[in-house]
Amino acid sequence: DVKVTQSSRYLVKRTGEKVFLECVQDMDHENMFWYRQDPGLGLRLIYFSYDVKMKEKGDIPEGYSVSREKKERFSLILESASTNQTSMYLCASEVTRVNTEAFFGQGTRLTVV
Amino acid sequence: GQQVMQIPQYQHVQEGEDFTTYCNSSTTLSNIQWYKQRPGGHPVFLIQLVKSGEVKKQKRLTFQFGEAKKNSSLHITATQTTDVGTYFCAGTSSGTYKYIFGTGTRLKVLA
Repeated sequence: DVKVTQSSRYLVKRTGEKVFLECVQDMDHENMFWYRQDPGLGLRLIYFSYDVKMKEKGDIPEGYSVSREKKERFSLILESASTNQTSMYLCASEVTRVNTEAFFGQGTRLTVV
Repeated sequence: GQQVMQIPQYQHVQEGEDFTTYCNSSTTLSNIQWYKQRPGGHPVFLIQLVKSGEVKKQKRLTFQFGEAKKNSSLHITATQTTDVGTYFCAGTSSGTYKYIFGTGTRLKVLA
């Protein structure tokens, strides 16, 4: 089975802290994504990567950056956490862009206080 | 930019009743996917539709892609308590890696 693992299930951080959310997939997938999920807004794409060291902005990239140094790992970075970044963060991966399903991690619920 | 809306936002049904959620895109889609997220869980892929007018069935679930490839629906016949969760559609346009997710429909089934 494909496994997408996010480093933390729950995280509490202070305003202004630099926050790292890690995601690892074990199926050699090319594409990886970071979404945030908020009630009534569905899943919104923050960043995605289609290859090592390649990244593209999604719909809401402001306040975030990403890193993909290895194919299996995609990190989301909150440079200076703010309370409006309190949310559920979901990582996903898929094998290729030719219409395949995305596999999601279990999610990280981040609270910024 | 591209938007994908889903209606209704919430639906409560009695067990055994049917349920339908609708997904509408502001632009023509190359394909659409459907996901289910159980309470406390993560989205899990259900199906993908590619062709105009395509209809696919999975047991009690029927998925449809509109002729113009701008809308889609998921219909559940005779709901069961195991159907509880949020159903998301996700559409993509040709030439892009991005899937745009709908806002989701949260289904509650009353026993």
